[in-house]
Amino acid sequence: DIQLTQSPSFLSASVGDRVTITCRASQGISTYLAWYQQNPGKAPKLLIYAASTLESGVPPRFSGSGSGTEFTLTISSLQPEDFATYYCQQVNSYPLTFGGGTKVEIK
Amino acid sequence: EVQLVESGGGLVKPGGSLRLSCAASGFSFSSRSMIWVRQAPGKGLEWVSSMDSSSTYIYYADSVKGRFTISRDNAKNSLYLQMNSLRAEDTAVYFCARGDRRGGLPFSMSDYWGQGTLVTVSS
Repeated sequence: DIQLTQSPSFLSASVGDRVTITCRASQGISTYLAWYQQNPGKAPKLLIYAASTLESGVPPRFSGSGSGTEFTLTISSLQPEDFATYYCQQVNSYPLTFGGGTKVEIK
Repeated sequence: EVQLVESGGGLVKPGGSLRLSCAASGFSFSSRSMIWVRQAPGKGLEWVSSMDSSSTYIYYADSVKGRFTISRDNAKNSLYLQMNSLRAEDTAVYFCARGDRRGGLPFSMSDYWGQGTLVTVSS
């Protein structure tokens, strides 16, 4: 099984900050990675797929990069509605797996 | 508008069974793979099972293999998850999600999600 390790698991930041979350895969997964945002009590929302393609309707302050085993999600200027938990997911092979999540909180 | 509405959750004793349903609307259900993902209280997301549009390709997480069965009824635009031999560690919110392989993905990510249904396994 492919393990995904997200770092940090917790991040404290201010509105306007640039934030970067890392997702490392235990083996190469090309660009077969998606990023999701989840607010408390809500369903996850797709942000990015194929490592770097922005889902329709997602603000351009979100961006993704990487291939192989290392990936990043960047929020260029954190907005109040961005305080949430973020998950990466690999869709390279079954079983599909998620990272442990990164909770972004207000400093 | 794509809508996915889960139902069937509740409180069940260890060893019991439960059947979850997911009613889909706003898209061509019969042409999409579908997925179940769960989230234990205060924990992260865990993929449970995926099924392709024609019910030909079915996959399960090891944690549920042999106990859970995914199925679909394309005529009713519905997805199901039959859960047997339930354990305390199956306690979670269960999300139904639509699969998509945009961008040349080999397997489906989840582009739309329902709001989830809570399953509690406790005596």
